Amino acid sequence: EADIYQTPRYLVIGTGKKITLECSQTMGHDKMYWYQQDPGMELHLIHYSYGVNSTEKGDLSSESTVSRIRTEHFPLTLESARPSHTSQYLCASIHDTGELFFGEGSRLTVL
Amino acid sequence: QKEVEQNSGPLSVPEGAIASLNCTYSDRVSQSFFWYRQYSGKSPELIMSIYSNGDKEDGRFTAQLNKASQYVSLLIRDSQPSDSATYLCAVRRAGNQFYFGTGTSLTVIP
Repeated sequence: EADIYQTPRYLVIGTGKKITLECSQTMGHDKMYWYQQDPGMELHLIHYSYGVNSTEKGDLSSESTVSRIRTEHFPLTLESARPSHTSQYLCASIHDTGELFFGEGSRLTVL
Repeated sequence: QKEVEQNSGPLSVPEGAIASLNCTYSDRVSQSFFWYRQYSGKSPELIMSIYSNGDKEDGRFTAQLNKASQYVSLLIRDSQPSDSATYLCAVRRAGNQFYFGTGTSLTVIP
């Protein structure tokens, strides 16, 4: 069972706005990830965290930033949204089993 | 060379047939292997994990791992229209990094 919660599920916003995509899990998992995925395309790792106050950039360069102040939360922020940021953003965490589970995703559209 | 390679398909099989999905990976130190199913517009859903050479069966799904050949496969028996989705192969190396293939699109024709 994933138990990873992402909000909002869908967001349509104008260019230049600041947005924060929330991701939370209540299982105490240390390792959390953000992936970006365009429709029909592959997953790209944009950020990851192995614990509180630990964040790293992933393989795909992203203008977003993340924070990990609490184990449960791993929010992703875009300071100034642009149409090129339109995509699906997927949060995931590693279970004690070593398996990676995803939240339901946040689909962002920037006009 | 990509870390994980899959035939993008599309793969079409008739209902009730066996669907065979294949994946190769480049790094011999990869430790764990996973298959995810992703419906259009949804997030990936884990359906199988396999860690050692051989076969692992779960219901209609069988995962096969051959570390010497760096090859992972997924067999879906008695395919159903609800199996129509994109299937992602993923590998995990030491260091908690996961690498995903581009996915194989499967269509099961009623």
